Amino acid sequence: EAQVTQNPRYLITVTGKKLTVTCSQNMNHEYMSWYRQDPGLGLRQIYYSMNVEVTDKGDVPEGYKVSRKEKRNFPLILESPSPNQTSLYFCASSPGANTGELFFGEGSRLTVL
Amino acid sequence: QKEVEQNSGPLSVPEGAIASLNCTYSDRGSQSFFWYRQYSGKSPELIMSIYSNGDKEDGRFTAQLNKASQYVSLLIRDSQPSDSATYLCAVNDRNGGFKTIFGAGTRLFVKA
Repeated sequence: EAQVTQNPRYLITVTGKKLTVTCSQNMNHEYMSWYRQDPGLGLRQIYYSMNVEVTDKGDVPEGYKVSRKEKRNFPLILESPSPNQTSLYFCASSPGANTGELFFGEGSRLTVL
Repeated sequence: QKEVEQNSGPLSVPEGAIASLNCTYSDRGSQSFFWYRQYSGKSPELIMSIYSNGDKEDGRFTAQLNKASQYVSLLIRDSQPSDSATYLCAVNDRNGGFKTIFGAGTRLFVKA
């Protein structure tokens, strides 16, 4: 089954404790992206990657890091989480020809205390 | 800051009616336009994409694009209670580095 898999789905952590949210897709897509969704603000792009070893900032990259060492994986790293990073996070992928046709993972709800 | 604007709603329509959802965008360089549906507690799902001016129909859904007015809309004919969801408008800006920008979404409620 074609899918984008995120882990963990739910996480409660404390300020400053490094965490990684993993994202993996099995569709051989070139383009992958991370979004956060907050009430009233919609989906905001954090980082995206056009291909292996190619990443770029979205609109809200502060406090986040990403890497793209393999085509299928695109982890999101929060080096020192803060409460304002409490949000619902979505990973998405696209075949690459048109990066607006996105397939989303199920989401990861993160709470930073 | 490039923006995509939607009325947050909720938009309430009776079952069987036409639901009309609207979206405006700020960047004239935008080239591709999308509608996503998001059920409560679920992830967004692509339902329509449109790339040129005019109408595009897919089943009960019609997307309309007017680049001169920087306006894109989604019509849902014969609305069903199962259409109740949040509808997200998205704009792909290749000039901006392949970013996809989303509106905050319009909540649609279809009354049985």
